[in-house]
Amino acid sequence: GAVVSQHPSWVICKSGTSVKIECRSLDFQATTMFWYRQFPKQSLMLMATSNEGSKATYEQGVEKDKFLINHASLTLSTLTVTSAHPEDSSFYICRIRDGRIMNTEAFFGQGTRLTVV
Amino acid sequence: AQSVTQPDIHITVSEGASLELRCNYSYGATPYLFWYVQSPGQGLQLLLKYFSGDTLVQGIKGFEAEFKRSQSSFNLRKPSVHWSDAAEYFCAVGASGGYQKVTFGTGTKLQVIP
Repeated sequence: GAVVSQHPSWVICKSGTSVKIECRSLDFQATTMFWYRQFPKQSLMLMATSNEGSKATYEQGVEKDKFLINHASLTLSTLTVTSAHPEDSSFYICRIRDGRIMNTEAFFGQGTRLTVV
Repeated sequence: AQSVTQPDIHITVSEGASLELRCNYSYGATPYLFWYVQSPGQGLQLLLKYFSGDTLVQGIKGFEAEFKRSQSSFNLRKPSVHWSDAAEYFCAVGASGGYQKVTFGTGTKLQVIP
């Protein structure tokens, strides 16, 4: 069964509003979470990495004030797209793993299709 | 920095035919290599991985991949493709630590025709 639950699977919002995406670990303690975005016909681009209880580390070019990541517990991480604009429309996917164990597999969420109108 | 190249953007094969998807990587040390499959609107599912040992790795759904260090390649193969294999396939390379930070290729979209 699924070990990661990502919600919502799709969302449409108005330009200027904020959207929160949740990523939950169902079967294990997710000490590390990765957030990716994927544009149509392109690959996944890592946005940020978060470790439970710490501030997220953002990749170059990703605005940390626009993409707020909260990883307050071992089972939940959230990505909030603040003041969304049409260019933020994308497919956002979380990926989680238990970083305390070497070489444990990381699992992807189902993804969230965000459309900003 | 690590990088991955998937030369084929789109591949079409007939059902029952064999399949090979190409992947070339660039990484200074021994890489951790992955193949993922993504169905439309879905997340990614791990097909197989190479960390060390036998260079021919078996995965789920009848897929296999061979790590060739001399060619910096990790091509994915399947002897007989099924219509349900139609999806997008991503090759990825990770640095030390395996499942930590991985870099994905641009993907190959597989179309299966009857």
